[in-house]
Amino acid sequence: NAGVMQNPRHLVRRRGQEARLRCSPMKGHSHVYWYRQLPEEGLKFMVYLQKENIIDESGMPKERFSAEFPKEGPSILRIQQVVRGDSAAYFCASSPQGGDKQYFGPGTRLTVT
Amino acid sequence: KNEVEQSPQNLTAQEGEFITINCSYSVGISALHWLQQHPGGGIVSLFMLSSGKKKHGRLIATINIQEKHSSLHITASHPRDSAVYICAARGSQGNLIFGKGTKLSVKP
Repeated sequence: NAGVMQNPRHLVRRRGQEARLRCSPMKGHSHVYWYRQLPEEGLKFMVYLQKENIIDESGMPKERFSAEFPKEGPSILRIQQVVRGDSAAYFCASSPQGGDKQYFGPGTRLTVT
Repeated sequence: KNEVEQSPQNLTAQEGEFITINCSYSVGISALHWLQQHPGGGIVSLFMLSSGKKKHGRLIATINIQEKHSSLHITASHPRDSAVYICAARGSQGNLIFGKGTKLSVKP
């Protein structure tokens, strides 16, 4: 059973471009969480999704950021018009049910130049 | 004041020492997680607990719900235990609220 997969592992974007980060949860997991870790800071919750539904997006910046978890395929975190402050490690985690232990992916390190 | 506080922030130990990392939280939680983040950045979930105590190998986690406090213990520490240990409180919606982490360095 493969773990949580994230790709790309490293992503470089120029200011103003779009970044798309993908997360494939573990097999059998229908709950996905996205977290961000800014340089020298702790992890912060961004959004919690279940298949085709956003359960909690209280940690998402109001503009430029969106997330989806379609019926088929990976969860996508999309950042439009990236700025230098978006440079961070973005981690995805998944769980079978909402209250279960979460399993983390390896993260995507986004660098905005 | 952060909702989840960890101490100490940094910890250096000699190989073989018994290590304790503390976590206090001010929010109502449904469970508490202990995570390990390796120097390369990967995150491993060590424990999820809502009461009592759990043990896995040399790692022990305890939680006191009334006092809103949890501890992570490492017995017979080893240099390979060097990592950042993160406490995270799980809210009612399932999202995690993280402490700032404790950076552990175990010297041979």
